[in-house]
Amino acid sequence: DAKTTQPPSMDCAEGRAANLPCNHSTISGNEYVYWYRQIHSQGPQYIIHGLKNNETNEMASLIITEDRKSSTLILPHATLRDTAVYYCIVYKPTDSWGKLQFGAGTQVVVTP
Amino acid sequence: EAGVAQSPRYKIIEKRQSVAFWCNPISGHATLYWYQQILGQGPKLLIQFQNNGVVDDSQLPKDRFSAERLKGVDSTLKIQPAKLEDSAVYLCASRRGVMADTQYFGPGTRLTVL
Repeated sequence: DAKTTQPPSMDCAEGRAANLPCNHSTISGNEYVYWYRQIHSQGPQYIIHGLKNNETNEMASLIITEDRKSSTLILPHATLRDTAVYYCIVYKPTDSWGKLQFGAGTQVVVTP
Repeated sequence: EAGVAQSPRYKIIEKRQSVAFWCNPISGHATLYWYQQILGQGPKLLIQFQNNGVVDDSQLPKDRFSAERLKGVDSTLKIQPAKLEDSAVYLCASRRGVMADTQYFGPGTRLTVL
């Protein structure tokens, strides 16, 4: 079973920041928070991951709370191409041969 | 670099028929995964290989599903015989090795069983 809780859906206006929450209250000290997204008819795509510190790359920012029980993925300027299902996954790459356990994710719809 | 390749992209078969899917991972990636994604759900792991050896097939319905990765490169997933509930997208993913951070996914094969 997935170790994370995400809202099933959310809408965002084009050009605005999209803030996607994720709860992972049972995360252990050596587990990372990973985010993937899946655009319609495509395979999942890696976005970003973090352990304790906030992370930023060209796609998004990841904010992890100090107690690590929740996190927020931020898409700074959402575009129509960001419409996708976003998965938050708690994961340790060296455990279980790196098996990813996906939940249902959050369906994000970016509107003009 | 080239991504994970899968074929065919779409397949429609009758129940009780057989079907096979092919995956070519990113060059040099030792670990290969097959996931099943039913409509409206997240992907679920079926089997994973490290080089040409199976390291986890606990979720694979072995009475009808089989998979192989003979030379540690490309892989084939087979269903024989297919059932209606096998209708899903079958995703292949790979990563460089056991310490690598990221899995890369192919576009998937959409299977419809009638």
